Amino acid sequence: KNQVEQSPQSLIILEGKNCTLQCNYTVSPFSNLRWYKQDTGRGPVSLTIMTFSENTKSNGRYTATLDADTKQSSLHITASQLSDSASYICVVSDGGSYIPTFGRGTSLIVHP
Amino acid sequence: KAGVTQTPRYLIKTRGQQVTLSCSPISGHRSVSWYQQTPGQGLQFLFEYFSETQRNKGNFPGRFSGRQFSNSRSEMNVSTLELGDSALYLCASSPTGGKLFEKLFFGSGTQLSVL
Repeated sequence: KNQVEQSPQSLIILEGKNCTLQCNYTVSPFSNLRWYKQDTGRGPVSLTIMTFSENTKSNGRYTATLDADTKQSSLHITASQLSDSASYICVVSDGGSYIPTFGRGTSLIVHP
Repeated sequence: KAGVTQTPRYLIKTRGQQVTLSCSPISGHRSVSWYQQTPGQGLQFLFEYFSETQRNKGNFPGRFSGRQFSNSRSEMNVSTLELGDSALYLCASSPTGGKLFEKLFFGSGTQLSVL
């Protein structure tokens, strides 16, 4: 069964600090891995999309890495801002059916 | 460009009733997909439509159905509502639903409460 596990479940950091969120998956075959940011009461917003051949992808202060061998990804947030407070969701798509499997998300709270 | 529009924003129904949710994609987008989000299960894929045809379907019972119109607008229907159907229902659109690089754009969702 395809699964996506995210850690930590929640994280509290101070404004200006960096943090790293983790995503482990067992989806096979692999198509792509996406990170989304979801603010409370809103739909998810795409941060990065990575395929098998990509190791790193950046979007401003967000940098995602992918290790397809160990089936792990991370999302690094640099110099956090109050507006980074949100849920971050990792999504992996099956390369056969292309059906996405979602992680439960990491809830990030940035304190001033 | 207007974003993905979902109506209604909130909905309250009772068990056994049916409900229809609407989604208007970004202009020019032909792929619409639907998702259920609950605190317990997180986000789950329901189905995807492209050019009025269902192209992919998740693991949900037949009570959940959808359709897409020629203008790419989509509706989702849930019949014989159960308490467990209470959730945020999200739709997303993309130009072609291309698998590798295409970004999905989500609406703000319809919050369904079943009493």
